Amino acid sequence: EAQVTQNPRYLITVTGKKLTVTCSQNMNHEYMSWYRQDPGLGLRQIYYSMNVEVTDKGDVPEGYKVSRKEKRNFPLILESPSPNQTSLYFCASSPPGTDTQYFGPGTRLTVL
Amino acid sequence: AQSVTQLGSHVSVSEGALVLLRCNYSSSVPPYLFWYVQYPNQGLQLLLKYTSAATLVKGINGFEAEFRRSETSFHLTKPSAHMSDAAEYFCAVTFNYGQNFVFGPGTRLSVLP
Repeated sequence: EAQVTQNPRYLITVTGKKLTVTCSQNMNHEYMSWYRQDPGLGLRQIYYSMNVEVTDKGDVPEGYKVSRKEKRNFPLILESPSPNQTSLYFCASSPPGTDTQYFGPGTRLTVL
Repeated sequence: AQSVTQLGSHVSVSEGALVLLRCNYSSSVPPYLFWYVQYPNQGLQLLLKYTSAATLVKGINGFEAEFRRSETSFHLTKPSAHMSDAAEYFCAVTFNYGQNFVFGPGTRLSVLP
C-alpha cells in the first residue's frame, strides 16, 4: 500500500531532550516536506526537500533540523525541544513534476 | 510575502444546504491553489487543485472550486451538504510549483441534521 508513515504518532518529552520524528514514504517520491499544525494557524511549512541531499527552509525552520540521506526517509530532528514546539506535525511527499502532496497521519508532540 | 486567508474559522450548515468556504490569497503572480480536507485524527487529503487549466475545478465528494483571478479567490462549494462533510478544510497555495506551500488557517465545517 502506497503511504507516508510517521513515528512515533504520539510523543511526550521534556525541554531540552533531543528527539527525532521519522517519516518514510514508499512511493519513490522526490519531494518531501514537514509541517506543523497549530490551532488557528493552519499548517506551516518547516522544511522541505526536493531530492536526496537537497533541503531548504520553509516558513518556520527555527529549532528544527532535517536530513535527506535516502529518498524514502526525511527525519525531523529537534535538538533541544522547547514548549513552543508542542504541536501536531505532518510529513508529506510528492511525486516528481507534480504538486499533489500525500500526507502522513501526523505526530502529536508535547514538550513539557 | 504570499499569504492565504480563509474567512470564517467555523461554518455551520444544515444537511442538504449549500456549502461555501472562502479562500483568498495575496500574490503578484498566479499561484497553484489547493483545497485539502482533514477528518478528525487524520492527515490531510486533497480535495481538488487549480493549476492554470480550467478555472472551475471539480474535486472529490461533490466539491468544486472556482479560481477568480480578479478577486484573488478560490472559494470551495458543494450544492448539498452531507453529514460526512463535517471536517476541517484548508486552502493552500504554491507559487513555485510545489516547493514552498502556504496554508490558510483552516475552516471547520459543521453539518447540522
